[in-house]
Amino acid sequence: KQEVTQIPAALSVPEGENLVLNCSFTDSAIYNLQWFRQDPGKGLTSLLLIQSSQREQTSGRLNASLDKSSGRSTLYIAASQPGDSATYLCAVRDMDSSYKLIFGSGTRLLVRP
Amino acid sequence: SQTIHQWPATLVQPVGSPLSLECTVEGTSNPNLYWYRQAAGRGLQLLFYSVGIGQISSEVPQNLSASRPQDRQFILSSKKLLLSDSGFYLCAWSGAAQGEQFFGPGTRLTVL
Repeated sequence: KQEVTQIPAALSVPEGENLVLNCSFTDSAIYNLQWFRQDPGKGLTSLLLIQSSQREQTSGRLNASLDKSSGRSTLYIAASQPGDSATYLCAVRDMDSSYKLIFGSGTRLLVRP
Repeated sequence: SQTIHQWPATLVQPVGSPLSLECTVEGTSNPNLYWYRQAAGRGLQLLFYSVGIGQISSEVPQNLSASRPQDRQFILSSKKLLLSDSGFYLCAWSGAAQGEQFFGPGTRLTVL
């Protein structure tokens, strides 16, 4: 059974710092992995989707990498800003049940001015 | 561009009352549709998904049901709410079964 873990659970950094959020999954047989952002009381905003054949995806200050063989993904945020404060969730879509996303519990990020 | 709507945004209901939450998608046709629940302190759990009108698959046996009466409309229902039904309900859509999923703004349900 696929399990997704995100470490750390919470992170507080000063503005301007580059940071890395980690996501690991137990079964490497995945279709793709998706990173989301969730602001308090709001829905999820899709940030990046990485297909299993890809190594990384970039969008603005965000860069997500995927190492399928080791069951790991990282989300790199460059030059963090207070507006980046949110909970970041990763989710995998595995081969056994390709219609559904299996979510990690998230990393709560606070960027201090 | 595609947009997804959910209503109501918040709902407070007594135990034993019925429930109907609605989700609609604009700007796309024949989407795959999903209902998730996010309970306090827990991750997102897929409840139902649909690949077409009238086609519903349930992930977890529970007090809820879903229906898809139109191509871009997805409804989550219950005949009698339980306290454990409280949570944040999120609707999502994707253009393909393995495609990127996009989420709506959510409905906060409190059962008292």
